[in-house]
Amino acid sequence: RKEVEQDPGPFNVPEGATVAFNCTYSNSASQSFFWYRQDCRKEPKLLMSVYSSGNEDGRFTAQLNRASQYISLLIRDSKLSDSATYLCVVNEMDFGNEKLTFGTGTRLTIIP
Amino acid sequence: DAEITQSPRHKITETGRQVTLACHQTWNHNNMFWYRQDLGHGLRLIHYSYGVQDTNKGEVSDGYSVSRSNTEDLPLTLESAASSQTSVYFCASSEHPRAEQYFGPGTRLTVT
Repeated sequence: RKEVEQDPGPFNVPEGATVAFNCTYSNSASQSFFWYRQDCRKEPKLLMSVYSSGNEDGRFTAQLNRASQYISLLIRDSKLSDSATYLCVVNEMDFGNEKLTFGTGTRLTIIP
Repeated sequence: DAEITQSPRHKITETGRQVTLACHQTWNHNNMFWYRQDLGHGLRLIHYSYGVQDTNKGEVSDGYSVSRSNTEDLPLTLESAASSQTSVYFCASSEHPRAEQYFGPGTRLTVT
């Protein structure tokens, strides 16, 4: 089983719509969770951290469900500029060292 | 502004040659990471370092090496380049192993 799993998509969504992605993780001891955004042929960039109580940043809302071991990202009133690949990131232990594990990403295309 | 840079941005090399990719950060972060990204695999960790003189193997470390002689730099060396090492390479740094990582712009390496 992969440590971090995402639906690869693609999600093709009309402009102005609301879209949500989920990401599941396998390690119940994980404590840090993030969503990154990656544009084509560019580096990943931090979109937002995910906190236990859930958090919002403008049109973006992130939620954590520890019991079911998943995190979610909700995008409201989607814009053309939201088209990108969204990476789910979770911290894990690696032979006593902590590291971040990246999901393979969910591709989103906003359609005019 | 603090930043993380990579050089070269593009490199074409021949099979069997030794190649070194540079990564330099001015965040003063102790933690630095090297990833490769290929279609269908997402970001895969090659090597990482938690401080000067510290290096650790990631999940795809075979054929690669790193050394950390100062806080700012973590060069990645391909000992004998193979066509399977054609990829996009990203360097990243973070303040804490569990914290968000900041990525460089990437190096696109082609091994012919």
